[in-house]
Amino acid sequence: AQRVTQPEKLLSVFKGAPVELKCNYSYSGSPELFWYVQYSRQRLQLLLRHISRESIKGFTADLNKGETSFHLKKPFAQEEDSAMYYCALSGFEAGGTSYGKLTFGQGTILTVHP
Amino acid sequence: GAVVSQHPSRVICKSGTSVKIECRSLDFQATTMFWYRQFPKQSLMLMATSNEGSKATYEQGVEKDKFLINHASLTLSTLTVTSAHPEDSSFYICSADNRNSYSYEQYFGPGTRLTVT
Repeated sequence: AQRVTQPEKLLSVFKGAPVELKCNYSYSGSPELFWYVQYSRQRLQLLLRHISRESIKGFTADLNKGETSFHLKKPFAQEEDSAMYYCALSGFEAGGTSYGKLTFGQGTILTVHP
Repeated sequence: GAVVSQHPSRVICKSGTSVKIECRSLDFQATTMFWYRQFPKQSLMLMATSNEGSKATYEQGVEKDKFLINHASLTLSTLTVTSAHPEDSSFYICSADNRNSYSYEQYFGPGTRLTVT
């Protein structure tokens, strides 16, 4: 079974401070990890995925298979980063193509104060 | 970018009636669509996976006779909540994968707020 855990339901930081949203996962196979973001009154949208190794809006996330973690980090938080963040996992089926079914963590509400 | 729409955005119905929610991929074809349920300030819970032209696959604990899913075309999937009860009140969200994209991504609809009175 696949499981995603986001231990912090709420996270508050001040503008300019570093921020780290934690995500741990449990999956026996080779997972694909994602971070999704939901801004106020908007739909869920993909922020980044581990295979892209990109930095989106200043956010990065590194997959640590040893610690089964995929923490989201940003060195200097901005007020517009305030949103709900979900970590999600998709398990690979045999053959290496993503099955597509996403398992979401509980979500972390990030609030960046001015 | 790829857009997924849902209709209606809000619906209020009486207990015992049925409600249909539509999910459309507007500018791409979706082999697979997913239906989620989200309770206030909680995570998304996958209800079922819907593949065009075949029966939906339901997650454990989701009643397939209560939540009827039809995926008649590559751009439309519907979720019908049959004989709705107040406990079915929730936020229902669909997503669609982009079969034309070389890198897999799910695109989410804006959600439908269902209130059963």
